[in-house]
Amino acid sequence: GNSVTQMEGPVTLSEEAFLTINCTYTATGYPSLFWYVQYPGEGLQLLLKATKADDKGSNKGFEATYRKETTSFHLEKGSVQVSDSAVYFCALSSGGSNYKLTFGKGTLLTVNP
Amino acid sequence: NAGVTQTPKFQVLKTGQSMTLQCAQDMNHNSMYWYRQDPGMGLRLIYYSASEGTTDKGEVPNGYNVSRLNKREFSLRLESAAPSQTSVYFCASSVQGEISLHFGNGTRLTVT
Repeated sequence: GNSVTQMEGPVTLSEEAFLTINCTYTATGYPSLFWYVQYPGEGLQLLLKATKADDKGSNKGFEATYRKETTSFHLEKGSVQVSDSAVYFCALSSGGSNYKLTFGKGTLLTVNP
Repeated sequence: NAGVTQTPKFQVLKTGQSMTLQCAQDMNHNSMYWYRQDPGMGLRLIYYSASEGTTDKGEVPNGYNVSRLNKREFSLRLESAAPSQTSVYFCASSVQGEISLHFGNGTRLTVT
C-alpha cells in the first residue's frame, strides 16, 4: 500500500536558517504529493503540492520538488522565521475517483529568534 | 467565511458513553472526511463520504459510525467510547475530484 516517511523531529532552528525536511514515499502509479502545515491549535492547511514528476510546488518561500527517481518530496526554505514554527506533514494521494490522502507522521519545527 | 466548522472543540467522556462529533462546511464541497490524529502516528482516515448519500470506511473505522446528513454536514458517532479513542479528530472537505483538503480546527476528545 501507500506510505509516507518523513524525518522525525523535533527540528529547532534559529531565525534566518535554512530548512530541509525530508520526505520519501512508496506508492503505486503516479501519486500527487503535498505538504500540509499545522499551526498550534489549528487544523491542517495546504502549504504546497505537486501533481507530476519534476513539478516544483512553492508557497510562502517554501519549495518542494517531486522526484520520481528518488521517490522524494523534500521541503525547503531558505530563511525561516519564528512564524514558521508549526508541524509539517508530507502526504500523497491515492488517486482514483476518491482522493484519500496518506499522511506522514509530521515534523515539529521550532524557530527561535 | 467559516470554511469547515467542528463542534465541540473539547470533550471528556467516560468509557462506554456515546457522543456525536459534528462537522459542517459552507464551501459547497461534495467530499468530506474524518481523520484522527495521534502523537507519532500522523493522521489516519476513519471514514469518508465521496458525495452526498455515500460513505466508505477508511483506515481505522472500527468503533465509529458516520452519517452524511446532507451536502454540508458529516457527523462521526462513537457508540461506546473506549480509552483508545482518545485523540484529536479532524473533519475535512474537498471538491469531488479535487485532491486538496480543507480542514476544521479539530475536536480534542479524552476518554477516561
